Amino acid sequence: GAVVSQHPSWVICKSGTSVKIECRSLDFQATTMFWYRQFPKQSLMLMATSNEGSKATYEQGVEKDKFLINHASLTLSTLTVTSAHPEDSSFYICSARDGVADTQYFGPGTRLTVL
Amino acid sequence: GDSVTQMEGPVTLSEEAFLTINCTYTATGYPSLFWYVQYPGEGLQLLLKATKADDKGSNKGFEATYRKETTSFHLEKGSVQVSDSAVYFCALGGRGGKLIFGQGTELSVKP
Repeated sequence: GAVVSQHPSWVICKSGTSVKIECRSLDFQATTMFWYRQFPKQSLMLMATSNEGSKATYEQGVEKDKFLINHASLTLSTLTVTSAHPEDSSFYICSARDGVADTQYFGPGTRLTVL
Repeated sequence: GDSVTQMEGPVTLSEEAFLTINCTYTATGYPSLFWYVQYPGEGLQLLLKATKADDKGSNKGFEATYRKETTSFHLEKGSVQVSDSAVYFCALGGRGGKLIFGQGTELSVKP
């Protein structure tokens, strides 16, 4: 199946710093990518939809100024957690939609820990 | 709005037991339905999907049938293995390609 990578796989940062997470579709072009957040033993919560060449669409309750999303190309979307705080610690997962196969492929996730 | 409800876990079974994980949904129209699996320490993988009523998705011995009349998409496997231990997520396809997930069901298979 198609492969989606995320980098880094884990990151530890100090409170107040910003962290960038990359999501890449390796063998297909993705006009749409999605960013999710997963708390321990809970489901995935959709944060935003990232569309190549346009602004991201954020779900209700997600601060767009805190979670900056850029979809610079058909194979790359980035999520930047700005001024991170301990409550932002979570597992962040991206997915990329293969429009031809009408299927979403998920990255392996990034574990963010904010001290 | 659209939503997905799964049976709560954790579910613990012995190897070779029959598995059913219930999933029901609420949606306008007839969305595609999916089962994703998340193995320990890994990302989500698509297990199977069905795009219209009465479709049966199947993969690796798992199967689920899209039941419009009961708005359900229950996951079944006739004989589970220890390697099937994972968290299983039911999801429906929303507008714009969004996925709406159920809360996940943890399956633990004992030898």
